[in-house]
Amino acid sequence: DVKVTQSSRYLVKRTGEKVFLECVQDMDHENMFWYRQDPGLGLRLIYFSYDVKMKEKGDIPEGYSVSREKKERFSLILESASTNQTSMYLCASARPLSYSNQPQHFGDGTRLSIL
Amino acid sequence: QQQVKQSPQSLIVQKGGIPIINCAYENTAFDYFPWYQQFPGKGPALLIAIRPDVSEKKEGRFTISFNKSAKQFSLHIMDSQPGDSATYFCAASMDNAGNMLTFGGGTRLMVKP
Repeated sequence: DVKVTQSSRYLVKRTGEKVFLECVQDMDHENMFWYRQDPGLGLRLIYFSYDVKMKEKGDIPEGYSVSREKKERFSLILESASTNQTSMYLCASARPLSYSNQPQHFGDGTRLSIL
Repeated sequence: QQQVKQSPQSLIVQKGGIPIINCAYENTAFDYFPWYQQFPGKGPALLIAIRPDVSEKKEGRFTISFNKSAKQFSLHIMDSQPGDSATYFCAASMDNAGNMLTFGGGTRLMVKP
């Protein structure tokens, strides 16, 4: 069965800290995504990656960076956390377009609070 | 600015009712329209999807209606059950944008017993 695992369900950090959110998928998917979910705004794409060491900005990349050193792992980095980055963060993976439209498989999310 | 607008934000129906969730889009290049279902504490999961070459798609109790000229699509849940209580997201993507999805704002559905 498809599995996307996010390392933490809940995380509390302080403003100015560097924060790492980790995501691992076991499906050998090429594409991986990071979203943030806020009430009324749905899911907004932060970054995505279509291959190891490759990344593309999504709709709201400011204040974030990503790292993909291995195919199965995609990390989201908050360089200097701010209170407006308090949110639910969702990681997803999918097979590439060449396999025709493929569903994105989501992890269960990390609820991040920045104090 | 949301490219996919979803309404209503919340919806309460009685068991057996037919909740309807509507989405509208602006970008005519969108050509794939999935719906995702999210239960509390879980990530979204694909429920049903449609392409613009058909006007309706049914999977079990879930139906997508698609109106290409109006740039609108909607989700109907027949004979709704309390177990359908969840947040529903519509989304849209373009084939030439890989698997990137643009999501609507979500609808929180509650089905009362």
